[in-house]
Amino acid sequence: AQSVTQPDIHITVSEGASLELRCNYSYGATPYLFWYVQSPGQGLQLLLKYFSGDTLVQGIKGFEAEFKRSQSSFNLRKPSVHWSDAAEYFCAVGRGITGGGNKLTFGTGTQLKVEL
Amino acid sequence: NAGVTQTPKFRVLKTGQSMTLLCAQDMNHEYMYWYRQDPGMGLRLIHYSVGEGTTAKGEVPDGYNVSRLKKQNFLLGLESAAPSQTSVYFCASREATGGRGQETQYFGPGTRLLVL
Repeated sequence: AQSVTQPDIHITVSEGASLELRCNYSYGATPYLFWYVQSPGQGLQLLLKYFSGDTLVQGIKGFEAEFKRSQSSFNLRKPSVHWSDAAEYFCAVGRGITGGGNKLTFGTGTQLKVEL
Repeated sequence: NAGVTQTPKFRVLKTGQSMTLLCAQDMNHEYMYWYRQDPGMGLRLIHYSVGEGTTAKGEVPDGYNVSRLKKQNFLLGLESAAPSQTSVYFCASREATGGRGQETQYFGPGTRLLVL
């Protein structure tokens, strides 16, 4: 069965500092990986996704993530954090399911706090 | 283009009461999903639908029923609410391409449900 681990429940960074959020997955086949962001009281918004090709993927809002098969990781990075990046971040792995569609398995999330 | 909308935004129920959560999407997506989000547990799939008139169970289906009578709507019902169903409920949809797991799911803003 697939699973996703986000080892950091909370992270605090200063505005302007760099950020790396960790994500490790367990999946038997080629993984399809996603990062979503959830602002307070809002739904989830897709930041970026990986399913093939270049292992460094660019997303919205200046985020990027690198897929490392050898480490089963898909860490999210941003070189300079803005106060508006304070939110909860979810990593997810997707796979096809019987009858069509796909199933996302989410990590438990990392809450990012940005200090001014 | 409203995307994915959910009704209501917030509801308080007493144990044993019933209610229906409505999810609507205007993107002509084939697949729709219901998730619940609980602190420290990420999002878990309750039920999903791969097309009008079809539904299937996800990870945590007990205590919930769903219906997809129209392509654009996906209803989640609680016949007899329990305090364990206090949660934030998210609906998502995606288009029917590929189906191998890499397609993006688009999320609604969520419904907060409190069962007393």
